[in-house]
Amino acid sequence: GQSLEQPSEVTAVEGAIVQINCTYQTSGFYGLSWYQQHDGGAPTFLSYNALDGLEETGRFSSFLSRSDSYGYLLLQELQMKDSASYFCAVRLGDSSYKLIFGSGTRLLVRP
Amino acid sequence: NAGVTQTPKFQVLKTGQSMTLQCAQDMNHNSMYWYRQDPGMGLRLIYYSASEGTTDKGEVPNGYNVSRLNKREFSLRLESAAPSQTSVYFCASSETPGTTEAFFGQGTRLTVV
Repeated sequence: GQSLEQPSEVTAVEGAIVQINCTYQTSGFYGLSWYQQHDGGAPTFLSYNALDGLEETGRFSSFLSRSDSYGYLLLQELQMKDSASYFCAVRLGDSSYKLIFGSGTRLLVRP
Repeated sequence: NAGVTQTPKFQVLKTGQSMTLQCAQDMNHNSMYWYRQDPGMGLRLIYYSASEGTTDKGEVPNGYNVSRLNKREFSLRLESAAPSQTSVYFCASSETPGTTEAFFGQGTRLTVV
């Protein structure tokens, strides 16, 4: 079976840096994505890693280590609007290319 | 540019009733997906369609059927609704099966009583 593990909740202060971890066990691996979802909204794409290393997109960065089956999302200069749920997702490396999501991390940014 | 459109946005069903959730995308994407989201469970894949004419089961397909009507449309059918199917349903699409980014509709909030 497939499993993606994330912390359920993280709390941080406005202006700070927060890291959300994701470990995965899947039948094949094609890439790790991150999605953001505000309450009542739809998930929206943030970033993608297919190879090891760090990808930076503005205040958000994502890291992948395929040998450790581990990745993280780093959010810098936190803003109140960053309060949302964050999901890691794996594109399976079998012929299906199914997109499987973790259970999500709820981030609360405090003033 | 509407992206991914789901109808209806809200629905209440009685146990045993049937209904079809509609999804259409206008981005000329090949791949489409149906997910359900329950509190604390994240997004679970119900069915997906890698390309027009193909469908395959995801993680939680029991109680559901799908139809890829054409390249634009991918519908999800509940033949005999059960309270356990109370959830928020999201349709998504991506350009190809291996494309990194998936685009989501706004969701259908379904309650089965």
